[in-house]
Amino acid sequence: GAVVSQHPSWVICKSGTSVKIECRSLDFQATTMFWYRQFPKQSLMLMATSNEGSKATYEQGVEKDKFLINHASLTLSTLTVTSAHPEDSSFYICSARDPGGPDNEQFFGPGTRLTVL
Amino acid sequence: GDSVTQMEGPVTLSEEACLTINCTYTATGYPSLFWYVQYPGEGLQLLLKATKADDKGSNKGFEATYRKETTSFHLEKGSVQVSDSAVYFCALSDEGGSEKLVFGKGMKLTVNP
Repeated sequence: GAVVSQHPSWVICKSGTSVKIECRSLDFQATTMFWYRQFPKQSLMLMATSNEGSKATYEQGVEKDKFLINHASLTLSTLTVTSAHPEDSSFYICSARDPGGPDNEQFFGPGTRLTVL
Repeated sequence: GDSVTQMEGPVTLSEEACLTINCTYTATGYPSLFWYVQYPGEGLQLLLKATKADDKGSNKGFEATYRKETTSFHLEKGSVQVSDSAVYFCALSDEGGSEKLVFGKGMKLTVNP
């Protein structure tokens, strides 16, 4: 299947700083990417849908000014956690939809573990 | 809103044991149903799916049947292997094409030799 990468795989930062997480589709062009958040022993929660060349669509309850999403190219979407606080510590997962695939399937990255001190 | 409820683990089995992971859902309309698997250190991968009632998805010896009458999509395998050790997620999409997936909490399976 198609490959999606995330960078970094883990990051530790101080409270008040901003952190950028990258999501790349390595062997296909993704017009749509998704960002999820996962708390321990909880399900993945969709945060936002990222569309190339346009503004992201955020799910209810997700602060768009805190979680900035940029989908500047067909292979890269970035999530920036601004002014991070300890409650933002979580596992962030992206996925990318392959429009050229037979089932319009989403392919997932391995995730980024964010710890805010 | 839509939701997915699945068995919570962790579960430990011996090799060649039978596996069933229960999954039930709540949704309006006619969702598509999925099972994803996450192996250690890797991203979620689609294991199987079913898009309408009575469809059976199957892959790698795993099966699940879309049961509309019981709103269920239980995952089964007759004989598990050590390589099946992973976290399994049940999910649904209410738009039929894996847009906006709603996930269950996931269940960690460990298979011992």
